Amino acid sequence: GAGVSQSPSNKVTEKGKDVELRCDPISGHTALYWYRQSLGQGLEFLIYFQGNSAPDKSGLPSDRFSAERTGGSVSTLTIQRTQQEDSAVYLCASSRASLNYGYTFGSGTRLTVV
Amino acid sequence: DAKTTQPNSMESNEEEPVHLPCNHSTISGTDYIHWYRQLPSQGPEYVIHGLTSNVNNRMASLAIAEDRKSSTLILHRATLRDAAVYYCILRDVDSGYALNFGKGTSLLVTP
Repeated sequence: GAGVSQSPSNKVTEKGKDVELRCDPISGHTALYWYRQSLGQGLEFLIYFQGNSAPDKSGLPSDRFSAERTGGSVSTLTIQRTQQEDSAVYLCASSRASLNYGYTFGSGTRLTVV
Repeated sequence: DAKTTQPNSMESNEEEPVHLPCNHSTISGTDYIHWYRQLPSQGPEYVIHGLTSNVNNRMASLAIAEDRKSSTLILHRATLRDAAVYYCILRDVDSGYALNFGKGTSLLVTP
């Protein structure tokens, strides 16, 4: 597609439930990133995928968070047993695997845990 | 990681040029200088990037100091739509390609 697509755009879930957030990167972009942004806060790096290499999971805040990328394209971020502090906008970005290239971000998924 | 320093906020009048500064005194020779902006309630948007030479695109210009220890993002004519948080980020191999967003500069544009 023309841009990075994320779904759903909004998700309200009850505390303790699992959620899955989806990201469709730009075709041909081998690098994919997940960030989150809590209300009024900066962007927090979560995880990075590059081609077939092992993902960089150094930003995942707890073992309740996991992500996968199938076929080097679509990625799913899963949050198990959601907590209220997980409420945030989850942003996905993709890019070519080069420092001399910018990211393209999706519009994000706004997650609210009630 | 090489760090950047930006003012917390700046203000500009509409249709005036805006110069957003960024200091990066510990920059290494392989660090690219990237600028992004985030409009209210939107995801970040790529603006421009460079390595050593000044760069121009349809959105802005990037002026890089000769010693590369600072750079300036130039918006030639600010519009109300340019009100956003602007992030100056160094991107290098050691950071594993992930961009580390700091606090950025919040730009207010007044009519």
